[in-house]
Amino acid sequence: EIVMTQSPATLSVSPGERATLSCRASQSLDSSLPLAWYQQKPGQAPRLLIYAASTRATGVPARFSGRGSGTEFTLTISSLQSEDFATYYCQHYYFWPYTFGQGTKLEIK
Amino acid sequence: QVQLVQSGAEVKKPGASVRVSCKASGYTFSGYYIHWVRQAPGQGLEWMGWVNPNTAGTNYAQRFRGRVTMISDTTISTAYMELSRLRFDDTAVYFCTREVHDQPSAFDIWGQGTMVTVSS
Repeated sequence: EIVMTQSPATLSVSPGERATLSCRASQSLDSSLPLAWYQQKPGQAPRLLIYAASTRATGVPARFSGRGSGTEFTLTISSLQSEDFATYYCQHYYFWPYTFGQGTKLEIK
Repeated sequence: QVQLVQSGAEVKKPGASVRVSCKASGYTFSGYYIHWVRQAPGQGLEWMGWVNPNTAGTNYAQRFRGRVTMISDTTISTAYMELSRLRFDDTAVYFCTREVHDQPSAFDIWGQGTMVTVSS
């Protein structure tokens, strides 16, 4: 089983600033970069933001970007909007079980 | 539009079983796995397993084997997750979500979640 570790657990950022969230896999992922990022707001289901490490899902604003390879991945939100304050999870889908990180809570500074 | 709609909240006693349904619409049901993911209060996301509506095949996370059953009914485009021998720590929101068959992929559509409370 691949263990996904996210950092930091909580990130405090002011609106309009940039936020960078990190995700590390316990083993290297495939060259197809099977890594996804989800956003979850309280009381809601997760929403797919990024797949294949860097491809934005349908309807996701361009201020969200993902990058990385091997075991290290990042999600960057270039200019935080009020609706971006939420919890973010990374997940690998290299092989089952598709495990999630423990999440990073992005809060308003 | 493409959506997964889940059944309503449940309250169960320890030792009982719960069944949660997940009705798909707007896409070819048999073309996607249905995965189940749960989230305990204030906690992260935990993958439980999947059912393949095309073959009825399943794959369960190790910690749930023996207690979970996932099935699907292609005639009504609905998947079900049954968890037996409920414990207090099974209290969680249970989500269904989908993954396309032909290659490993992210979960693009999620159900709204079903709260299951285990209480004496």
